[in-house]
Amino acid sequence: KQEVTQIPAALSVPEGENLVLNCSFTDSAIYNLQWFRQDPGKGLTSLLLIQSSQREQTSGRLNASLDKSSGRSTLYIAASQPGDSATYLCAVIGPGAQKLVFGQGTRLTINP
Amino acid sequence: GAGVSQSPSNKVTEKGKDVELRCDPISGHTALYWYRQSLGQGLEFLIYFQGNSAPDKSGLPSDRFSAERTGGSVSTLTIQRTQQEDSAVYLCASSLVAMAHNEQFFGPGTRLTVL
Repeated sequence: KQEVTQIPAALSVPEGENLVLNCSFTDSAIYNLQWFRQDPGKGLTSLLLIQSSQREQTSGRLNASLDKSSGRSTLYIAASQPGDSATYLCAVIGPGAQKLVFGQGTRLTINP
Repeated sequence: GAGVSQSPSNKVTEKGKDVELRCDPISGHTALYWYRQSLGQGLEFLIYFQGNSAPDKSGLPSDRFSAERTGGSVSTLTIQRTQQEDSAVYLCASSLVAMAHNEQFFGPGTRLTVL
């Protein structure tokens, strides 16, 4: 059974810092991995999707990497801003599967 | 274009009552998914539809939970005889087709509180 773990559970940093969020998964046979953002009381916003054949994806100040063989992904946020404060979730999907398996999330606070 | 919409946004009900939650997928998306987000369990898959068929219902927690989809569009998740442990945010997502490489787009969720 696939299990996804995110470390740390919570992170608080001053504005302007670069930071890394970690995601690990137990079964390396994934099809893709997605990073989502969730604001309090809101739904999920997809940030980046990495196919299993890819090593990384970039969108603006966000960069996500994937090391499938070691079961790890990282989300790098450059020059953090208070508006980046949210919970970040990673999720994986296996080949032939249609359901996303989520981590518990990292609650990020950027202090002005 | 319009994203995934869900209604109601909030629902408060008494234990033992039935509730219906509605999801309207992105136009043209043939696949629809229901997830539940609760404090103790995180975000969990419930069921998905390809068209009007539900090939995977494995995440439904009990036979009090059911879902249907009509016309390949709107879906309704029904919880009968609600219990306090059903309190959670119910999220709906849709994708072009139910294939692993298709990105899932999420709605804002319905927050259910069972008193």
